[in-house]
Amino acid sequence: EPEVTQTPSHQVTQMGQEVILRCVPISNHLYFYWYRQILGQKVEFLVSFYNNEISEKSEIFDDQFSVERPDGSNFTLKIRSTKLEDSAMYFCASGGQMNTEAFFGQGTRLTVV
Amino acid sequence: GESVGLHLPTLSVQEGDNSIINCAYSNSASDYFIWYKQESGKGPQFIIDIRSNMDKRQGQRVTVLLNKTVKHLSLQIAATQPGDSAVYFCAEIFTGGGNKLTFGTGTQLKVEL
Repeated sequence: EPEVTQTPSHQVTQMGQEVILRCVPISNHLYFYWYRQILGQKVEFLVSFYNNEISEKSEIFDDQFSVERPDGSNFTLKIRSTKLEDSAMYFCASGGQMNTEAFFGQGTRLTVV
Repeated sequence: GESVGLHLPTLSVQEGDNSIINCAYSNSASDYFIWYKQESGKGPQFIIDIRSNMDKRQGQRVTVLLNKTVKHLSLQIAATQPGDSAVYFCAEIFTGGGNKLTFGTGTQLKVEL
C-alpha cells in the first residue's frame, strides 16, 4: 500500500539552527501539506502546496518557514532559525484530489534545545 | 470562525462494546468531514469521511453520523477491540477556505479487557 514517508524520524537541533524536514508523498498525489502537533495538543495546519506553489498557509507559517519540491518526489519543510517553541511533531500529508482525504506520514519529531 | 471541538477528552469502553465519539463544529459552511485515528508516536490515519450532502456513512465496523442542524459529528465503532485504543480526531474542510484540514482536540479511546 502506498504511503507517505518522512525523514528523519527524530531531529534534535540547537536553537537558531536551520533544519530541513523531508517527505516523500504518495507518487501520484498532487496536493501536499505540512502540519504540526505540539505534544498533547491537536494537529495544526501549516501550509498546503499545489502546482509548485503555496496555495494556503497559516499564521504559524511565518518567514522562518519555507517549503520546496526540489524534484518530482521530495517535499521539504525548512525552518531557517529554529526556536524552542518549534519543538513538535511535524507531519507531511498528501492528497490525490482537491477536497479529499489527506494521507499522513509517520511524522518527524523535532526537538529544539 | 472555524473551530472543531470534541465533547470528551477520554472515553473508556469494555472490549466488545460499541464506542461513540462525538465532535461539534462551528463552521456551518464546512462540507467535508474526516475522522482520523492516531496511535502513539504515529501520524493520523484516515478512518472514514462524510460529505455534507449525507447524514450517515458506514465502513467496516465504523459509522459516521452527521447532523448539520446542530453541527454535530459522531464516530461509532462496533465491537470495540484493543487495537482501537488511540486518539481520535475529527477534522473538517471548508472548501471555500481551501483544502486544509481543521482538526479538533482529540478524544482518547481506551479499551478495557
